[in-house]
Amino acid sequence: QVQLVESGGGVVQPGRSLRLSCAASGFIFSSHAMHWVRQAPGKGLEWVAMTSYDGINKYYADSVKGRFTISRDNPKNTMSLQMNSLRAEDTAVYYCAREYIESYNIDHWGQGTLVTVSS
Amino acid sequence: QSALTQPRSVSGSPGQSVTISCTGTSGDVGGHNYVSWYQQHPGKAPKFMIYDVSKRPSGVPDRFSGSKSGNTASLTISGLQADDESDYYCCSYAGSYTWVFGGGTKLTVL
Repeated sequence: QVQLVESGGGVVQPGRSLRLSCAASGFIFSSHAMHWVRQAPGKGLEWVAMTSYDGINKYYADSVKGRFTISRDNPKNTMSLQMNSLRAEDTAVYYCAREYIESYNIDHWGQGTLVTVSS
Repeated sequence: QSALTQPRSVSGSPGQSVTISCTGTSGDVGGHNYVSWYQQHPGKAPKFMIYDVSKRPSGVPDRFSGSKSGNTASLTISGLQADDESDYYCCSYAGSYTWVFGGGTKLTVL
């Protein structure tokens, strides 16, 4: 079955960097676009970034553009999110999510990893 | 990239039907048939319930249905059950490879 496992969350000071990872299994990773979606404590879901199936095309929400970088390693079935210049408002659970093949719909989600930006 | 508008809460009794609305713009909900719905229990990951406005993934009961009219999408849950009590989120493709979510709706089963 599809499994997505995030790691790398933790507590970080404002202005510092953090790198999240997502390990995928149970499906042909290289066939699917992948996303990061976040959820601030007690708040709703917010789309963060997407990478195409081949890693060539990358897209970002305005709120993270220029600070976050999404990447993927298809031979290793992993995806990453490099987060720089972190702000308090970036505090959230970050979910790795798979896009239903060629559909613009997100189907499977990981369990999430918590990032807390605080001094 | 403004969030889609959902009611903060809805409620219904077991066996009844409830509908959750999701209002966007012609740039997202109204302009694309890529609206999805997710159920999220507290502390859990979202679960994929509806895609392409009205399609159900395998395993999702046919009590869950989706529709769209203009810039507003809707999720209807019929035959309410206690386990349906959860938060529900809509999501729409917003063009230029961006996506937007709704603010979420808390469903209470009375």
